[in-house]
Amino acid sequence: SQQGEEDPQALSIQEGENATMNCSYKTSINNLQWYRQNSGRGLVHLILIRSNEREKHSGRLRVTLDTSKKSSSLLITASRAADTASYFCAPSTDTGRRALTFGSGTRLQVQP
Amino acid sequence: EAQVTQNPRYLITVTGKKLTVTCSQNMNHEYMSWYRQDPGLGLRQIYYSMNVEVTDKGDVPEGYKVSRKEKRNFPLILESPSPNQTSLYFCASSSRFGAGGNTYEQYFGPGTRLTVT
Repeated sequence: SQQGEEDPQALSIQEGENATMNCSYKTSINNLQWYRQNSGRGLVHLILIRSNEREKHSGRLRVTLDTSKKSSSLLITASRAADTASYFCAPSTDTGRRALTFGSGTRLQVQP
Repeated sequence: EAQVTQNPRYLITVTGKKLTVTCSQNMNHEYMSWYRQDPGLGLRQIYYSMNVEVTDKGDVPEGYKVSRKEKRNFPLILESPSPNQTSLYFCASSSRFGAGGNTYEQYFGPGTRLTVT
């Protein structure tokens, strides 16, 4: 597996605004997943996009994938205070052991 | 409720005292994995199991053991803990197949914060 690099490292917005965070990776992938982690707690799977997909939606989440640029973005629309968390991308070529490798993530703060 | 449980949630122990962190899932998942999360190093896989009696090393297996005698349980064993194993540990599980073919989403437990002094 490979580690994705999230950008920005930190993001602070007001409730109701949209939040966009980006992920870059180095080698070809089979799929890319996004996870959320509330401070010091468990990780929650948000969305998975496969390498042959360009865009995917789930509720207020929209993920795009550009394999030519080796990048992905996660958009959270109409953010809420409860969206405050760290967000990690996990690009994966590994369909065997399914290792997820997270970087430092994007710390999102949504101000009420 | 579908979930992955870990116990204990918090543990402070001393160097060399054997300990086991339990992990159990009720989703009948074939795949289970252990990770550790450290500041500046991100999340790293320790061991994984693709099914009962099938386990293999991840990226940082040194100092750890696992077993998979039953599908639902995947305990992590530290035979002789050392301070560099102080970390936040996560167990995760995943189903191999879903409606659309192979699935890769992993479901995580709440984490075990281990301190070794």
